[in-house]
Amino acid sequence: GDSVTQMEGPVTLSEEAFLTINCTYTATGYPSLFWYVQYPGEGLQLLLKATKADDKGSNKGFEATYRKETTSFHLEKGSVQVSDSAVYFCALTYSSASKIIFGSGTRLSIRP
Amino acid sequence: DAGVIQSPRHEVTEMGQEVTLRCKPISGHDYLFWYRQTMMRGLELLIYFNNNVPIDDSGMPEDRFSAKMPNASFSTLKIQPSEPRDSAVYFCASSSNRDRGQPQHFGDGTRLSIL
Repeated sequence: GDSVTQMEGPVTLSEEAFLTINCTYTATGYPSLFWYVQYPGEGLQLLLKATKADDKGSNKGFEATYRKETTSFHLEKGSVQVSDSAVYFCALTYSSASKIIFGSGTRLSIRP
Repeated sequence: DAGVIQSPRHEVTEMGQEVTLRCKPISGHDYLFWYRQTMMRGLELLIYFNNNVPIDDSGMPEDRFSAKMPNASFSTLKIQPSEPRDSAVYFCASSSNRDRGQPQHFGDGTRLSIL
């Protein structure tokens, strides 16, 4: 079946460091891929998405590229801020009518 | 636009009591999802509706849990009787099927504590 695997946390970085959170997926078809972010005490918010191979999603300085050959969708940011501290979820779905399959989440903490 | 609205934000009650969680989806969205989030299990899909009809309830833990969607703008998740292991954050999400890859929009959740 379909699944999403993301790197275990927590990840702790200093402000302005480069961030990579790895995500790989297993899919029987051609899903859309997402990164959601959850700030403390809040629900999940869509951070970025990519709907087909080689698409790059980007938002708020974060980027991720849909790599079909490596079945990956790694999240990157060139210079993190304290305000980026949150839990990040990689996810896939085939349509809004389908279940979203979430990874287990990666907690990110940024030190000033 | 108003997002997905859940109430209450926090609920603390004693075991054995009935708990009702409420959700108002985004207007025009035709899919509604209920999730449960715990440290041990992460995010679990409990049930989802399309046009007010339950489509998949295979994630509902047991008969103590029930969900309804009487109209397009309101859904409830009920636990009766509640148990301490039901303590979790419950999220509601909604989406529209108008285009592929349309993401689900989440509410801020209800933090439930069963004593």
